[in-house]
Amino acid sequence: DAMVIQNPRYQVTQFGKPVTLSCSQTLNHNVMYWYQQKSSQAPKLLFHYYDKDFNNEADTPDNFQSRRPNTSFCFLDIRSPGLGDAAMYLCASRLEYNYGYTFGSGTRLTVV
Amino acid sequence: SQQGEEDPQALSIQEGENATMNCSYKTSINNLQWYRQNSGRGLVHLILIRSNEREKHSGRLRVTLDTSKKSSSLLITASRAADTASYFCATDQAPTGANSKLTFGKGITLSVRP
Repeated sequence: DAMVIQNPRYQVTQFGKPVTLSCSQTLNHNVMYWYQQKSSQAPKLLFHYYDKDFNNEADTPDNFQSRRPNTSFCFLDIRSPGLGDAAMYLCASRLEYNYGYTFGSGTRLTVV
Repeated sequence: SQQGEEDPQALSIQEGENATMNCSYKTSINNLQWYRQNSGRGLVHLILIRSNEREKHSGRLRVTLDTSKKSSSLLITASRAADTASYFCATDQAPTGANSKLTFGKGITLSVRP
């Protein structure tokens, strides 16, 4: 089935050690998003790609980077994770404007 | 900044009852979407209503949109225990078009008692 897949489901990383979360989609969607969701909070948009065009949110920390090497894959890199970066990270994609988003199952990041 | 505000924050009902959840927003929108999230999982898209639509149905779901009041409601009829989840409204704000993005509210926790 076409879907959005996030790996891994759970990631434990050390304070300050770079970590990469991955997302792939088989839907051939143009747009991909990364959201951060902390416990009992709203998902917060970090950045998104429209095709190869990268759009960073103004309040996304510089510590967070993203790569989209092709239509199917998108990566979230956290250069120096802090304790405050522990959260669920959600990847989503959509085909075009005025379509719903398809979300992956998320990666729960723990920083120790 | 947070766009959607859901109400109530938590709702507990008996199986078979209807559940009504409300969402208010602040600025003009292209569309409004409702999502469900089971504990520790990703979000599942339920329904999208465009700014020029007033009501939409999908199975047991009914969504209304009142752009003059900047509000929406989600009605789940004949609720089931499996409907227990968090529900989020999300707004796609005008006039961003192709680069539009969703802004989520904090969500409503729905508990359906068997």
